[in-house]
Amino acid sequence: ETGVTQTPRHLVMGMTNKKSLKCEQHLGHNAMYWYKQSAKKPLELMFVYSLEERVENNSVPSRFSPECPNSSHLFLHLHTLQPEDSALYLCASSYGTSGSNEQFFGPGTRLTVL
Amino acid sequence: AQTVTQSQPEMSVQEAETVTLSCTYDTSESDYYLFWYKQPPSRQMILVIRQEAYKQQNATENRFSVNFQKAAKSFSLKISDSQLGDAAMYFCAYRRANNNDMRFGAGTRLTVKP
Repeated sequence: ETGVTQTPRHLVMGMTNKKSLKCEQHLGHNAMYWYKQSAKKPLELMFVYSLEERVENNSVPSRFSPECPNSSHLFLHLHTLQPEDSALYLCASSYGTSGSNEQFFGPGTRLTVL
Repeated sequence: AQTVTQSQPEMSVQEAETVTLSCTYDTSESDYYLFWYKQPPSRQMILVIRQEAYKQQNATENRFSVNFQKAAKSFSLKISDSQLGDAAMYFCAYRRANNNDMRFGAGTRLTVKP
C-alpha cells in the first residue's frame, strides 16, 4: 500500500451503533488530520494530530472521538451519531503541520447514518 | 476568521481550451499559503499547485498556473490545454503560516467537453 488509505470505504450505521473509521499513512509523515466533507459545503477540519498528540479540535461534538496510537495510524470512533453526520470523512497526513507542507489525502469513507 | 470563497459552483471547458477558476479569500494576515486541490470522481484529493504569499511570482506547474493578487486577495487557477482528465472538483484553500488550520472553499466542479 502506498499513500494514505482509509477503511472502510463505505459505512452505513444506525444512530445507536458504535463504529470506527481507520486511516493509515505510508509516507513517513508525522501529522494526521480528519476532515468532514458534506455536499455543497467546504471541507471542515475536525482534528489535527502532530507527533501523536492532538493539537487541534475544531468544536467537534463528543460523539466523534479520535485516536492516534502512532504516527502512521489514525482512528475516528463514532457513537450515537445523528443523520446530519452523514458525509464523506477524509483523512490526510503531512510532514509537519505548518505553512506550505502539502497534505496528502485518503480516498475517504462515505458514512450514512440512518 | 479566514474564509475562502469560490464563486463558480460549476464551470465547463472544451478540450484543449483554457479555463480560469476563481478564488477569493479574507484574511488580516500577511504571511500565509494558498493551495489548489483537485478531487476527481474517485474522491482522492491531490494538490495541484501552491503559492507562498511572500512570493510575488505566480506559481506554475506544467499546464496549471495561478494569478495571485495579494492586495485584492484573489487566487485564480488557470488550466491551459484542458484535458479530459482535468474534470474534477477543484478546491481553493488557505493556510496561515505556523497554523494547523487549512480553510477550504466550497469547490468548483469542472467539466471538460470532448
